[in-house]
Amino acid sequence: DQQVKQNSPSLSVQEGRISILNCDYTNSMFDYFLWYKKYPAEGPTFLISISSIKDKNEDGRFTVFLNKSAKHLSLHIVPSQPGDSAVYFCAASARETSGSRLTFGEGTQLTVNP
Amino acid sequence: NAGVMQNPRHLVRRRGQEARLRCSPMKGHSHVYWYRQLPEEGLKFMVYLQKENIIDESGMPKERFSAEFPKEGPSILRIQQVVRGDSAAYFCASSPRRTEAYEQYFGPGTRLTVT
Repeated sequence: DQQVKQNSPSLSVQEGRISILNCDYTNSMFDYFLWYKKYPAEGPTFLISISSIKDKNEDGRFTVFLNKSAKHLSLHIVPSQPGDSAVYFCAASARETSGSRLTFGEGTQLTVNP
Repeated sequence: NAGVMQNPRHLVRRRGQEARLRCSPMKGHSHVYWYRQLPEEGLKFMVYLQKENIIDESGMPKERFSAEFPKEGPSILRIQQVVRGDSAAYFCASSPRRTEAYEQYFGPGTRLTVT
């Protein structure tokens, strides 16, 4: 039962344009969402998060949007840079039922072309 | 300020052997999580520990797998009698305290290959 899904295994964008990575979830108990970035042979690095009481959180070039009614979140990167090329994982937690354990999506490979 | 350390980075075991994976959390962190990533999949939660306590082991396979986080020393994930299906990347993450548990800092992972 895949509770967090990233339906696009890969995304390719031009440098300077916007990258939009999408994530859907099924568990309505999820109340905190995170995005991690992962380079090959390294562990995931925390990027940005959002609580379910918000619908938007912004940090520099990164913005996360949450649509609770659609159970959908997205990560916007603008402008995209070649160094952003990595695998991006969406993750969620449900504090009431499962504490701090994170449930991850399958990841999206982002390639930013110079 | 060193990050989360995991060793070994690569581990090769024959079927039936034991694998021991070590994780040293960031300085000042007392919460440790273990995740497993199978090929072409996302990370899957295995176990959550505090010093000397297992808090949540709901993601651990019922047999052959165990984890500990002693008062002194690293956290250890132990896999007995490994099988080919155990081949995966095992990631450890740490956080400083419960209130910041959601922003978990990951180590580089141990890639286990079972031949």
